[in-house]
Amino acid sequence: SYVLTQPPSVSVAPGQTARITCGGNNIGSKSVHWYQQKPGQAPVLVVYDDSDRPSGIPERFSGSNSGNTATLTISRVEAGDEADYYCQVWDSSSDHHVVFGGGTKLTVL
Amino acid sequence: QVQLQESGPGLVKPSQTLSLTCTVSGGSISSGDYYWSWIRQPPGKGLEWIGYIYYSGSTYYNPSLKSRVTISVDTSKNQFSLKLSSVTAADTAVYYCASIYVWGSYRGAFDIWGQGTMVTVSS
Repeated sequence: SYVLTQPPSVSVAPGQTARITCGGNNIGSKSVHWYQQKPGQAPVLVVYDDSDRPSGIPERFSGSNSGNTATLTISRVEAGDEADYYCQVWDSSSDHHVVFGGGTKLTVL
Repeated sequence: QVQLQESGPGLVKPSQTLSLTCTVSGGSISSGDYYWSWIRQPPGKGLEWIGYIYYSGSTYYNPSLKSRVTISVDTSKNQFSLKLSSVTAADTAVYYCASIYVWGSYRGAFDIWGQGTMVTVSS
């Protein structure tokens, strides 16, 4: 089955740029979705189809996807961005199955 | 705006069957625009996809749980349900229902989530 690999943690100072990666075999050929989850809350979709933002998500959140790595970029990081972030794709080996990455804890220093 | 709400027992005994229901409001479960899904998250761990159902009744399950999972839909009540049999402590988790927008061959992301419900497996 398809595997998505995320770093367990990323730290960034306020106002700087955070980049969270999601690795997978030829992930550039898939659509990647990103979710933000704050403690005690349900996940929220922040980027879909590699780089699109749902309504209400700040432009500071952006995504890219190429080769074996997809990246969620958060510009001008704020304290409120501290959360767990998960990437997700549809498994091409079984086109109807869903795969999540292990999650990355973003810490705002 | 579609909203989802999980309901069901918060405590289940080992070897028994966990049963949860997700009520869809603000839209019709029969619209054909969504897959209706269950996802869980053990305490302190990541998200695990359980499975999903289309309004027609077509289902797709995580291979690691397939032998124990049943997802069904009740269009008359605008609800879909999860049953997980032979539970153990490893099934203790927050269980979320969520929807995936679909259109033709396009399958999107989990764009709408319920608030989640904690289920503990313990005697």
